[in-house]
Amino acid sequence: NAGVTQTPKFQVLKTGQSMTLQCAQDMNHNSMYWYRQDPGMGLRLIYYSASEGTTDKGEVPNGYNVSRLNKREFSLRLESAAPSQTSVYFCASSEGSGSRGYEQYFGPGTRLTVT
Amino acid sequence: AQSVTQLDSQVPVFEEAPVELRCNYSSSVSVYLFWYVQYPNQGLQLLLKYLSGSTLVKGINGFEAEFNKSQTSFHLRKPSVHISDTAEYFCAVTFNTGGFKTIFGAGTRLFVKA
Repeated sequence: NAGVTQTPKFQVLKTGQSMTLQCAQDMNHNSMYWYRQDPGMGLRLIYYSASEGTTDKGEVPNGYNVSRLNKREFSLRLESAAPSQTSVYFCASSEGSGSRGYEQYFGPGTRLTVT
Repeated sequence: AQSVTQLDSQVPVFEEAPVELRCNYSSSVSVYLFWYVQYPNQGLQLLLKYLSGSTLVKGINGFEAEFNKSQTSFHLRKPSVHISDTAEYFCAVTFNTGGFKTIFGAGTRLFVKA
């Protein structure tokens, strides 16, 4: 099992460019998440998908869109990149997302720099 | 409002010394508690979790944590650290609000010195 995979690992964009970060999981999990990690701020939730066909905003959704393509795949799109979106992006998945103690499984991350 | 606070941003410690990484949360509902570890240039992986039952939970790599409901804390401990424990540690809390609400702390960077 590969677990959670993310592509690309690194990306440099110019302000205003667009790109899509890809995420896939092979654990048959229902729920998937996108986080950004910035120094001193921990992980902040951008969007999540509780189950196939649903998506919801997290703490910091502005400037991003997501697509839950199928049960395995959850992509994050930056339509017009800004320097404030320079960060490390993590995709995660879990068996469920309701108010129970579901462990999240993380991908290796994408380091994005916007110049 | 719910919140998670990791009280130390950095903890330097000598090899074979004990360590405690502190985590406090604020909540009016019941919670589930997690500690994750992130090694350099990697994603997070679960160290241990508290869902119910015994308040002392043991995890991987010799770590353990104790849930203290009255003090709303979930501190992580290891009696003797190794160089390889150098990493960033995140406390995460899932709040039993009926929907999805998990908040991560800001992280504590553990630096083990020889």
